[in-house]
Amino acid sequence: SAVISQKPSRDICQRGTSLTIQCQVDSQVTMMFWYRQQPGQSLTLIATANQGSEATYESGFVIDKFPISRPNLTFSTLTVSNMSPEDSSIYLCSGGDTQETQYFGPGTRLLVL
Amino acid sequence: QKEVEQNSGPLSVPEGAIASLNCTYSDRGSQSFFWYRQYSGKSPELIMSIYSNGDKEDGRFTAQLNKASQYVSLLIRDSQPSDSATYLCAVGNFNKFYFGSGTKLNVKP
Repeated sequence: SAVISQKPSRDICQRGTSLTIQCQVDSQVTMMFWYRQQPGQSLTLIATANQGSEATYESGFVIDKFPISRPNLTFSTLTVSNMSPEDSSIYLCSGGDTQETQYFGPGTRLLVL
Repeated sequence: QKEVEQNSGPLSVPEGAIASLNCTYSDRGSQSFFWYRQYSGKSPELIMSIYSNGDKEDGRFTAQLNKASQYVSLLIRDSQPSDSATYLCAVGNFNKFYFGSGTKLNVKP
């Protein structure tokens, strides 16, 4: 199994600012994903982080708002840009191999004031 | 139509009973199927994965997959209060993973 860490674990931010969330995996993984989870709701996939190329975004999510980097097979970042209170949520990264298990990081709890 | 459907519950069972959680999916090309458990305020934790039709058992947990009916279930035997959580069904198709909305399970002592 893969062990995934995220930084920061939580943050309170002012509207209009940006926050970058880091995701580190303890082993090389093929796939890394970023999700958003509103309180009491299920996970919504934001994008697939592709190593060495642009991320693949789901409908409703755009690169200008959620730029993603993945410089290698163990690390990825998600930036939430020009934040508004509607961006308040839990952001989760996951990692694993195609057809195999996805393991989740502990999440980043974001509150935008 | 959602990719993965689950009854939101809550499903209440007495301690020691069998809890049965169900999930249907829409994409017939789906290749992999997972059950995650999520405690309040925590991230999802993998319980079971299943890839072929039939049953797969791991301790008190049994996953059942029927690709023809596009149906996957999770049985929890001898349910314990510590099993009280939200259970998420996830379905994978190559590079995509889709999650259901989750079923909240309450196991009453």
